Parts: sequence; C-alpha cells; structure tokens
Amino acid sequence: DIQMTQSPSSLSASVGDKVTITCLASQSIGRYLNWYQQKPGKAPKLLIYSTSNLQSGVPSRFSGSGSGTEFALTISSLQPEDFATYYCQQSYDTPPLTFGGGTKVEIK
Amino acid sequence: EVQLLESGGDILQPGGSLRLSCAASGFTFNRYAMNWVRQAPGKGLEWVATVSGSGSKSHYADSVKGRFTVSRDNSQNTLYLQMNSLRAEDTALYYCAKDERGLTPGRLDSWGPGTLVTVSS
Repeated sequence: DIQMTQSPSSLSASVGDKVTITCLASQSIGRYLNWYQQKPGKAPKLLIYSTSNLQSGVPSRFSGSGSGTEFALTISSLQPEDFATYYCQQSYDTPPLTFGGGTKVEIK
Repeated sequence: EVQLLESGGDILQPGGSLRLSCAASGFTFNRYAMNWVRQAPGKGLEWVATVSGSGSKSHYADSVKGRFTVSRDNSQNTLYLQMNSLRAEDTALYYCAKDERGLTPGRLDSWGPGTLVTVSS
C-alpha cells in the first residue's frame, strides 16, 4: 500500500500569508494526487485534483504542484475562510485509497 | 447539483450490527463508483470501502474486511454499508462519497454530511 505523509501536521499563519503544505508518497504516484479541505464540523471538499487542477469554484489563490513522490499545496494569500484542515490523497494505485494525516491551518 | 445524504448512524454495543444508507441525487448514479470514508473523533480520514457503478465489484480496507459489506441499489439511487461485529474502534463519522471513476476508487468529488456511529459498552 502507498503511504502518504503530510507536513507540517499543523501551522499557524496570519491573513495574507503565503502557506505551503507538503505531501510525500512512499512510492511514485505520477500526478495522481488530490487535495481536500475540511472545515470544522463539515464534510471534506475536493479542492485540487491530479496535482494541479482546481475543482470548480475553488479560488485561484490555491495551487498545487509536484510529481512522483513530492507534492505541495500552496495558498498564495491566506483568507479567513481558508482556516481548515487539508488532506492529500493518492489515486494512483488503488485500492486502498490512502490519505495523508492532515494539516491543520490555524489563525496566528 | 450532486446531493448525498447518509442515514442510519446509531449508538450500539460491541459485537452489534448496523446498516448505513446514503441517498444520492443529481447525477447518473450507476455510472460512478461510490465510497464510504470514516473519521474517528479528532482523527483523520480513513477509506472504508468502494463499490463499482454496476455494483459487481467491491473493495475494502483491511480493517473492515470480512465484517463490513458495501452494496448499492441503482434503481433507488442508494448506497449501503452493512456493518457487523462492530468494535469500539469503528466509532466514527461515516461519509459516503461519489467517485469520479466507475470501477476502482479514485478521487472523491462529492461528499455527504456524514452519519455518526458510536460503538460503546
């Protein structure tokens, strides 16, 4: 099974900051990497698919990059509504479908 | 608009059984695989099971294999998860999620709000 490792597990940032979250796969997954955003008490929402494609309705301040085993989610200018937990997930070799452990983005 | 709504969550004792349902609308249900994903309190996301669009193929996490059964009724646009021999570690919010693929799990592009299963003596 492919293991997904996110870092950091949490971070504190201010509105307007640039934030980067990384995700490492235990083996190459090409560009089959998806990102989800989960706000407290809500279901996860698909944010970015296939490494860098924004899901419909997602603001352009979100971007994704990487390939192989190393990936990143970047928020160019953090907004109040972006405080949430973010999960990466590989869809290269499934089942099983595997998620990273999550990164909680908190207000500084 | 895709809509998914889970139901059936409950509080029950270890060893018990429960069936979750997920009513789907807003898309051609039988074209897409459907998934169950769970989240224990304060923890991350764990994939549980997937059923193909036709219902002919299913896949399970090792943690639930042999105890849980995923199925679907394409005539009723409904997904199910039969949960047997429940353990305390099955306590979680259970989400159903639509897949962008038809056969194996891929990316989950729509999620329901979840239904809570609590297993406790």
